[in-house]
Amino acid sequence: NAGVTQTPKFQVLKTGQSMTLQCAQDMNHEYMSWYRQDPGMGLRLIHYSVGAGITDQGEVPNGYNVSRSTTEDFPLRLLSAAPSQTSVYFCASSSLSSGNTIYFGEGSWLTVV
Amino acid sequence: ELKVEQNPLFLSMQEGKNYTIYCNYSTTSDRLYWYRQDPGKSLESLFVLLSNGAVKQEGRLMASLDTKARLSTLHITAAVHDLSATYFCAATYNNNDMRFGAGTRLTVKP
Repeated sequence: NAGVTQTPKFQVLKTGQSMTLQCAQDMNHEYMSWYRQDPGMGLRLIHYSVGAGITDQGEVPNGYNVSRSTTEDFPLRLLSAAPSQTSVYFCASSSLSSGNTIYFGEGSWLTVV
Repeated sequence: ELKVEQNPLFLSMQEGKNYTIYCNYSTTSDRLYWYRQDPGKSLESLFVLLSNGAVKQEGRLMASLDTKARLSTLHITAAVHDLSATYFCAATYNNNDMRFGAGTRLTVKP
């Protein structure tokens, strides 16, 4: 079982570049979300989706875009990378049928120089 | 706005001792979660607490929820070295927006 798969695992970007972090889940979960984790801190919600075609902003959405064209995929786009976006990014998914348990991907380490 | 506070932020325990981590949240929440994170790793779901008075136990860890006090606790019984990790609580509101505490870094020493 793959669960929640994130790519890439590591990425270095130059300021101003754009990139997309990929997230896919194979559990048919309706709910998917993206978080960032800065050193010594808890996770902060960037964007989330409650189903295909539906997205909404979380706590720290600025500088990021998302889309949800399928149930399985939820990519996160950085429009113009800034050093403040250096962080570890986690994708997560859940479903009422999973008993509200949230499954996290392995994380993507992003450095913006 | 929902805010989540954990304490202590750092906890050093001896093996065999008991201790409790506290998680307070500021407004009404739908669900309360506890997670474990090892260094450089992802989060592992430990407990989901849905209602007032809920208590869940897994091995040496027990979590409880008091929605009236807006307080959840994670109790560690007879700590062992393998429990060393960072523990996060998180609360949701509007069913989807999840807010995390800053985490409790637990070190269990022999």
